[in-house]
Amino acid sequence: GESVGLHLPTLSVQEGDNSIINCAYSNSASDYFIWYKQESGKGPQFIIDIRSNMDKRQGQRVTVLLNKTVKHLSLQIAATQPGDSAVYFCAESRTDKLIFGTGTRLQVFP
Amino acid sequence: DTGVSQNPRHKITKRGQNVTFRCDPISEHNRLYWYRQTLGQGPEFLTYFQNEAQLEKSRLLSDRFSAERPKGSFSTLEIQRTEQGDSAMYLCASSLMEAPTFGSGTRLTVV
Repeated sequence: GESVGLHLPTLSVQEGDNSIINCAYSNSASDYFIWYKQESGKGPQFIIDIRSNMDKRQGQRVTVLLNKTVKHLSLQIAATQPGDSAVYFCAESRTDKLIFGTGTRLQVFP
Repeated sequence: DTGVSQNPRHKITKRGQNVTFRCDPISEHNRLYWYRQTLGQGPEFLTYFQNEAQLEKSRLLSDRFSAERPKGSFSTLEIQRTEQGDSAMYLCASSLMEAPTFGSGTRLTVV
């Protein structure tokens, strides 16, 4: 079935390094994608979004890249900090609802 | 505005009991969503409202589940005759145009 998934369940990085979290989606008709960060005991927190008419969008320390040809989405976090430790989800918007993947846990070591 | 508010934060109930959760969305948001999340998984869509109209329900939402948004503001999610498999985090989110904003969820434990 169609789904949004992630390639790596856990990513460990050293503080100050850049992090890249990847996501694959299967519905080529999806036109809106969102990255969320979820800390333990909290709801998902919006990080950045991108529409399908773009291939790159930048925020503060974060960049989302969208490759529609291979249906791939990535989140790049520059100069990763301990506070970035969390589970990251990509979500695909279909008919006004979000379809989430299973998430990638980002662990940041000093 | 304090964001999306969900109550209670935690609920422990005995199997077979009914439970009701409340969600207060961001005031100007016309869309309200309910999701369920189990440990290690991403949130799963349950249902959503645009104003007071319930526009879509997931097949995950059995007939024991009912959601309402009577005046297009707050919403309630009721689970009747709870089962152990209903144990999960129930998340509410609201939006106006773009990315939904999530609340902190209600964690349900059915014993």
